[in-house]
Amino acid sequence: DTAVSQTPKYLVTQMGNDKSIKCEQNLGHDTMYWYKQDSKKFLKIMFSYNNKELIINETVPNRFSPKSPDKAHLNLHINSLELGDSAVYFCASSQGRGRGVWYGHEQYFGPGTRLTVT
Amino acid sequence: DAKTTQPPSMDCAEGRAANLPCNHSTISGNEYVYWYRQIHSQGPQYIIHGLKNNETNEMASLIITEDRKSSTLILPHATLRDTAVYYCIVRANRDDKIIFGKGTRLHILP
Repeated sequence: DTAVSQTPKYLVTQMGNDKSIKCEQNLGHDTMYWYKQDSKKFLKIMFSYNNKELIINETVPNRFSPKSPDKAHLNLHINSLELGDSAVYFCASSQGRGRGVWYGHEQYFGPGTRLTVT
Repeated sequence: DAKTTQPPSMDCAEGRAANLPCNHSTISGNEYVYWYRQIHSQGPQYIIHGLKNNETNEMASLIITEDRKSSTLILPHATLRDTAVYYCIVRANRDDKIIFGKGTRLHILP
Protein backbone atom coordinates (compact mmCIF):
# COMPACT_ATOMS: atom_id res chain seq x y z
CA ASP A 1 0.00 0.00 0.00
CA THR A 2 1.23 3.47 -0.86
CA ALA A 3 1.71 5.54 2.30
CA VAL A 4 1.34 8.97 0.71
CA SER A 5 -0.22 9.19 -2.73
CA GLN A 6 -0.73 12.11 -5.06
CA THR A 7 -2.80 12.57 -8.18
CA PRO A 8 -2.13 13.38 -10.86
CA LYS A 9 1.53 12.53 -11.34
CA TYR A 10 1.80 14.88 -14.31
CA LEU A 11 -0.27 17.96 -15.00
CA VAL A 12 0.11 20.12 -18.09
CA THR A 13 -2.11 23.16 -18.35
CA GLN A 14 -2.28 26.64 -19.77
CA MET A 15 -1.77 29.94 -18.04
CA GLY A 16 -4.84 31.29 -16.37
CA ASN A 17 -6.41 27.91 -15.67
CA ASP A 18 -7.41 26.63 -12.25
CA LYS A 19 -6.19 23.19 -11.19
CA SER A 20 -6.10 20.94 -8.16
CA ILE A 21 -3.66 18.33 -6.92
CA LYS A 22 -4.91 15.71 -4.52
CA CYS A 23 -3.02 14.05 -1.70
CA GLU A 24 -3.99 11.19 0.56
CA GLN A 25 -2.11 9.45 3.34
CA ASN A 26 -3.05 6.12 4.91
CA LEU A 27 -0.58 6.34 7.80
CA GLY A 28 -3.01 7.81 10.30
CA HIS A 29 -0.81 10.89 10.62
CA ASP A 30 -2.12 14.13 12.06
CA THR A 31 -0.05 16.57 10.02
CA MET A 32 0.22 17.02 6.28
CA TYR A 33 2.36 19.33 4.19
CA TRP A 34 2.79 20.71 0.71
CA TYR A 35 6.25 21.43 -0.69
CA LYS A 36 7.36 22.98 -3.97
CA GLN A 37 10.53 21.93 -5.78
CA ASP A 38 11.47 24.48 -8.40
CA SER A 39 13.58 24.13 -11.53
CA LYS A 40 16.75 24.76 -9.55
CA LYS A 41 15.82 21.77 -7.36
CA PHE A 42 15.27 23.85 -4.24
CA LEU A 43 12.55 22.22 -2.15
CA LYS A 44 10.56 24.61 0.03
CA ILE A 45 7.67 24.08 2.38
CA MET A 46 4.44 25.84 1.40
CA PHE A 47 1.80 24.76 3.90
CA SER A 48 1.34 22.56 6.91
CA TYR A 49 -1.97 21.33 8.23
CA ASN A 50 -2.51 19.70 11.60
CA ASN A 51 -5.87 18.01 12.11
CA LYS A 52 -7.40 20.08 9.32
CA GLU A 53 -6.03 23.34 10.76
CA LEU A 54 -3.55 25.47 8.85
CA ILE A 55 -0.34 25.72 10.87
CA ILE A 56 2.45 26.85 8.55
CA ASN A 57 1.73 29.17 5.67
CA GLU A 58 4.87 30.33 3.99
CA THR A 59 4.98 33.32 1.69
CA VAL A 60 2.89 31.73 -0.99
CA PRO A 61 0.60 33.68 -3.34
CA ASN A 62 -3.01 33.50 -2.28
CA ARG A 63 -3.75 31.85 -5.61
CA PHE A 64 -2.63 28.71 -3.78
CA SER A 65 -5.23 27.39 -1.39
CA PRO A 66 -4.88 24.14 0.53
CA LYS A 67 -8.04 22.27 1.42
CA SER A 68 -8.23 19.54 4.03
CA PRO A 69 -11.58 17.72 4.05
CA ASP A 70 -10.28 15.32 6.70
CA LYS A 71 -6.94 14.58 8.27
CA ALA A 72 -6.09 11.93 5.67
CA HIS A 73 -6.41 14.36 2.75
CA LEU A 74 -4.77 17.64 1.87
CA ASN A 75 -5.52 18.98 -1.58
CA LEU A 76 -3.84 21.92 -3.25
CA HIS A 77 -5.92 24.19 -5.41
CA ILE A 78 -4.21 26.72 -7.64
CA ASN A 79 -6.08 29.58 -9.30
CA SER A 80 -5.00 31.58 -12.33
CA LEU A 81 -1.92 29.49 -13.03
CA GLU A 82 1.25 31.32 -14.05
CA LEU A 83 4.39 30.15 -15.84
CA GLY A 84 6.35 30.44 -12.61
CA ASP A 85 4.11 27.88 -10.96
CA SER A 86 5.74 25.17 -13.04
CA ALA A 87 7.45 22.87 -10.55
CA VAL A 88 7.18 19.53 -8.82
CA TYR A 89 4.80 19.63 -5.87
CA PHE A 90 5.24 17.15 -3.06
CA CYS A 91 2.78 16.23 -0.39
CA ALA A 92 4.05 14.81 2.90
CA SER A 93 2.72 13.71 6.25
CA SER A 94 4.02 13.20 9.77
CA GLN A 95 2.63 11.90 13.02
CA GLY A 96 3.63 14.83 15.20
CA ARG A 97 0.80 16.77 16.81
CA GLY A 98 2.62 19.87 17.98
CA ARG A 99 1.37 23.06 16.38
CA GLY A 100 4.05 24.75 14.31
CA VAL A 101 6.52 21.95 14.82
CA TRP A 102 8.18 20.38 11.79
CA TYR A 103 8.83 16.74 12.49
CA GLY A 104 11.71 16.31 10.11
CA HIS A 105 12.48 12.78 11.21
CA GLU A 106 8.95 11.62 10.58
CA GLN A 107 8.23 13.09 7.17
CA TYR A 108 6.84 10.70 4.58
CA PHE A 109 6.76 12.20 1.12
CA GLY A 110 4.50 11.39 -1.78
CA PRO A 111 5.87 10.72 -5.28
CA GLY A 112 5.30 14.28 -6.46
CA THR A 113 3.19 15.98 -9.11
CA ARG A 114 5.03 17.62 -11.99
CA LEU A 115 3.06 20.71 -12.98
CA THR A 116 3.88 22.35 -16.28
CA VAL A 117 2.21 25.62 -17.16
CA THR A 118 2.41 26.66 -20.80
CA ASP B 1 18.29 30.44 1.12
CA ALA B 2 19.47 27.12 2.45
CA LYS B 3 21.76 27.38 5.44
CA THR B 4 24.02 24.57 4.30
CA THR B 5 26.76 24.06 1.74
CA GLN B 6 27.34 20.72 0.04
CA PRO B 7 29.48 19.64 -2.91
CA PRO B 8 27.33 19.37 -6.02
CA SER B 9 28.37 15.83 -6.84
CA MET B 10 30.44 12.89 -5.62
CA ASP B 11 31.38 9.44 -6.86
CA CYS B 12 31.76 6.32 -4.75
CA ALA B 13 32.61 2.76 -5.71
CA GLU B 14 30.01 0.14 -4.96
CA GLY B 15 30.67 -1.59 -1.65
CA ARG B 16 32.78 1.23 -0.28
CA ALA B 17 31.77 3.77 2.32
CA ALA B 18 30.30 6.98 0.94
CA ASN B 19 31.16 10.05 3.02
CA LEU B 20 29.05 13.09 2.23
CA PRO B 21 30.14 16.39 3.81
CA CYS B 22 27.97 19.33 4.77
CA ASN B 23 28.98 22.76 6.07
CA HIS B 24 26.59 24.63 8.33
CA SER B 25 28.82 27.27 9.89
CA THR B 26 25.92 29.49 11.03
CA ILE B 27 24.04 26.74 12.84
CA SER B 28 22.29 27.81 16.04
CA GLY B 29 22.30 25.90 19.30
CA ASN B 30 18.75 24.63 18.93
CA GLU B 31 19.04 23.59 15.29
CA TYR B 32 19.17 19.96 14.31
CA VAL B 33 21.03 18.55 11.32
CA TYR B 34 18.81 16.43 9.08
CA TRP B 35 19.76 14.34 6.09
CA TYR B 36 17.37 13.34 3.36
CA ARG B 37 17.85 11.76 -0.03
CA GLN B 38 15.86 11.93 -3.21
CA ILE B 39 16.07 9.11 -5.70
CA HIS B 40 15.23 10.12 -9.24
CA SER B 41 11.53 10.88 -9.76
CA GLN B 42 10.64 10.09 -6.17
CA GLY B 43 9.85 12.14 -3.11
CA PRO B 44 12.55 12.86 -0.52
CA GLN B 45 13.27 10.15 2.04
CA TYR B 46 14.40 10.82 5.61
CA ILE B 47 17.75 9.24 6.49
CA ILE B 48 18.97 10.46 9.87
CA HIS B 49 19.21 13.49 12.11
CA GLY B 50 21.17 14.71 15.12
CA LEU B 51 21.83 17.65 17.39
CA LYS B 52 25.29 17.25 18.91
CA ASN B 53 26.10 13.60 19.25
CA ASN B 54 26.96 11.22 16.48
CA GLU B 55 24.05 9.08 15.41
CA THR B 56 23.66 5.74 13.67
CA ASN B 57 20.68 3.88 12.31
CA GLU B 58 20.07 1.08 9.86
CA MET B 59 20.64 3.37 6.89
CA ALA B 60 23.60 5.54 7.80
CA SER B 61 25.79 7.23 10.38
CA LEU B 62 25.94 10.94 11.09
CA ILE B 63 29.12 12.51 12.39
CA ILE B 64 28.80 16.07 13.72
CA THR B 65 31.92 18.04 14.54
CA GLU B 66 32.35 19.30 18.07
CA ASP B 67 31.74 22.91 17.03
CA ARG B 68 28.71 21.70 15.04
CA LYS B 69 29.74 23.73 12.02
CA SER B 70 29.93 20.72 9.77
CA SER B 71 28.76 17.15 9.54
CA THR B 72 29.32 14.03 7.48
CA LEU B 73 26.80 11.45 6.39
CA ILE B 74 28.30 8.00 6.04
CA LEU B 75 26.73 5.22 4.01
CA PRO B 76 28.86 2.30 5.18
CA HIS B 77 28.52 -0.01 2.18
CA ALA B 78 27.19 1.89 -0.80
CA THR B 79 25.08 0.06 -3.36
CA LEU B 80 23.78 1.13 -6.75
CA ARG B 81 20.41 1.84 -5.11
CA ASP B 82 22.06 4.59 -3.05
CA THR B 83 22.45 6.69 -6.19
CA ALA B 84 20.46 9.82 -5.33
CA VAL B 85 20.65 13.48 -4.38
CA TYR B 86 21.47 13.86 -0.69
CA TYR B 87 20.25 16.92 1.19
CA CYS B 88 21.63 18.29 4.42
CA ILE B 89 19.21 20.59 6.28
CA VAL B 90 19.55 22.48 9.52
CA ARG B 91 16.55 23.77 11.40
CA ALA B 92 14.99 24.10 14.79
CA ASN B 93 11.74 22.32 15.49
CA ARG B 94 9.71 25.51 15.39
CA ASP B 95 11.26 27.05 12.30
CA ASP B 96 8.67 27.79 9.71
CA LYS B 97 11.10 28.14 6.84
CA ILE B 98 12.13 24.74 5.65
CA ILE B 99 14.33 24.77 2.59
CA PHE B 100 16.25 21.93 1.05
CA GLY B 101 19.29 23.22 -0.85
CA LYS B 102 20.72 21.77 -4.03
CA GLY B 103 22.22 18.80 -2.24
CA THR B 104 24.95 16.42 -3.41
CA ARG B 105 24.33 14.11 -6.33
CA LEU B 106 25.93 10.82 -5.33
CA HIS B 107 26.91 8.44 -8.11
CA ILE B 108 27.65 4.88 -7.09
CA LEU B 109 30.02 3.28 -9.56
CA PRO B 110 29.77 -0.47 -10.25
